[in-house]
Amino acid sequence: GAVVSQHPSRVICKSGTSVKIECRSLDFQATTMFWYRQFPKQSLMLMATSNEGSKATYEQGVEKDKFLINHASLTLSTLTVTSAHPEDSSFYICSARGVRDRGGEQYFGPGTRFTVT
Amino acid sequence: QQQVKQSPQSLIVQKGGISIINCAYENTAFDYFPWYQQFPGKGPALLIAIRPDVSEKKEGRFTISFNKSAKQFSLHIMDSQPGDSATYFCAASAGGTSYGKLTFGQGTILTVHP
Repeated sequence: GAVVSQHPSRVICKSGTSVKIECRSLDFQATTMFWYRQFPKQSLMLMATSNEGSKATYEQGVEKDKFLINHASLTLSTLTVTSAHPEDSSFYICSARGVRDRGGEQYFGPGTRFTVT
Repeated sequence: QQQVKQSPQSLIVQKGGISIINCAYENTAFDYFPWYQQFPGKGPALLIAIRPDVSEKKEGRFTISFNKSAKQFSLHIMDSQPGDSATYFCAASAGGTSYGKLTFGQGTILTVHP
């Protein structure tokens, strides 16, 4: 149980393009999903929190117009990186917290390796 | 105050030995303390977690020790195996308006030699 998938697992795009990453909870309903980015040999940095049916809450320093987050259903959240630049290259990871979780438990997706050339 | 400080940055252990990773926090509102294991190119996987109402939790070879007064918690891996070689992250979260938001430690790269 508690499986989270991400698609695509790897993406390479040119500067200026926009790319969408999907995060799905496969066997549970996720009221809240989180998006993180992780640079090589560094820890996970929270970018934003999304709740189903409402606007995402972004962490300080994260450009909401650049990283568009949509949480349209209890099993799907998407992150769109708009007008990508090489400095956006990173490992993007989502996590999900279930409806029935007592609190705190998050289950992570496998991550998306995002490279901008 | 939101920081979680993790040490050591890297750890080398012989097969069969005990691996110990420590974390310290300042925010007394934290009430959930998970440990995650991450292999290269993969997402973190929840290993074990503890809440402040207990001082120790054990699951198989993994044990969390929690010291509320010192605001510290640690992960012990007994009988460490080469397959345990990975990066380990401690984390913490609080209730209230920050409900569920995890603050991660800096990570520890564990290498277990055969």
